Amino acid sequence: KQEVTQIPAALSVPEGENLVLNCSFTDSAIYNLQWFRQDPGKGLTSLLLIQSSQREQTSGRLNASLDKSSGRSTLYIAASQPGDSATYLCALSAQGGSEKLVFGKGTKLTVNP
Amino acid sequence: EPEVTQTPSHQVTQMGQEVILRCVPISNHLYFYWYRQILGQKVEFLVSFYNNEISEKSEIFDDQFSVERPDGSNFTLKIRSTKLEDSAMYFCASRGGLYGYTFGSGTRLTVV
Repeated sequence: KQEVTQIPAALSVPEGENLVLNCSFTDSAIYNLQWFRQDPGKGLTSLLLIQSSQREQTSGRLNASLDKSSGRSTLYIAASQPGDSATYLCALSAQGGSEKLVFGKGTKLTVNP
Repeated sequence: EPEVTQTPSHQVTQMGQEVILRCVPISNHLYFYWYRQILGQKVEFLVSFYNNEISEKSEIFDDQFSVERPDGSNFTLKIRSTKLEDSAMYFCASRGGLYGYTFGSGTRLTVV
């Protein structure tokens, strides 16, 4: 059974700092890995999608990497801003079946002005 | 950018009552899902729907739950007799081909 772990559970940084959020998974037979952002009491906003054949994706100040052999993904946020404060969720789908997502519990990021 | 729309945003219901949560997925997507998130916990898969039938369901999705796509646009989740432990945020999502998921903004269900 796939397990997804995100470390740290919470992170507080000053504005302008570069930071890395970590996601690890137990089964490397994945199809897609997707990073989401969740604001308090709100829905999930997709940030980046990495397909299993890819190693990284970039969007603006965000860069996500995927290393299936080690069961790890990282989300790098450059020059953090207070507006980046949210919970960041890692989720992945397995090959075949319905490609349901298995989520980590998330990292709650606070960027202080 | 296309969106997944969920209604209502918040619903309060009495224990034992039936509720229907509604979703309008992205029009050209073929795969539809319901997930839920109990406060402070992980987002959990409930059910997936493809080609007008359930393709996979989790252990949570017991006989009290059902899904339907009554027309070409709506996708609904029905809970027949709500329990206190059904209180959660329910998310609808759709997926098209090689692209990732798009989630709705959720329905917060409170069972009292």
